[in-house]
Amino acid sequence: EAGVTQSPTHLIKTRGQQATLRCSPISGHTSVYWYQQALGLGLQFLLWYDEGEERNRGNFPPRFSGRQFPNYSSELNVNALELEDSALYLCASRRKWAAGDEDNYGYTFGSGTRLTVV
Amino acid sequence: DQQVKQNSPSLSVQEGRISILNCDYTNSMFDYFLWYKKYPAEGPTFLISISSIKDKNEDGRFTVFLNKSAKHLSLHIVPSQPGDSAVYFCAASDGQNFVFGPGTRLSVLP
Repeated sequence: EAGVTQSPTHLIKTRGQQATLRCSPISGHTSVYWYQQALGLGLQFLLWYDEGEERNRGNFPPRFSGRQFPNYSSELNVNALELEDSALYLCASRRKWAAGDEDNYGYTFGSGTRLTVV
Repeated sequence: DQQVKQNSPSLSVQEGRISILNCDYTNSMFDYFLWYKKYPAEGPTFLISISSIKDKNEDGRFTVFLNKSAKHLSLHIVPSQPGDSAVYFCAASDGQNFVFGPGTRLSVLP
């Protein structure tokens, strides 16, 4: 079973530009989560998509946005890049949640995209 | 306001001894808890989980303990091995949303 794949693995952008990060979930998984891990910090929740809709977003400005496609893959877009946006961006996927299905709680992470803003 | 806290940013343990990583949460709606391990430049990998109906779950060298009244959980690794050196994240879920703690960096010294 292929895992969660993210592309590109590394991305270098100039301040003010836009970045697009992509995530392909595990086959059969309908939920995609995006997290930011800045240097020395924990995992900060960015966005949650499920069945093509945004279900929740973390405490990030509107220039962080995304979408989920019919095949459940997802894009994260960061507009007007700032130096402090430099971080590891992680995507995770999960099967559709079902009450009582304990095995369904955990999700699987990709290896991340390292975004560097210069 | 952090809903999931890991108050020790780092921990050093001698090889062969026990490693104890702690996690506290504030939201009583959380009913499922997970531990993830992360190496540099890799995504976190799932280690072990526990639901709120249990107070202990074991998987090999890893045991997670949950104290619901204290809103506290801990991960015990015994015996600790150098390959266990990584950042450990505690996560809590209410079934839909996941909240991660800031992580604890474990260093197992040979």
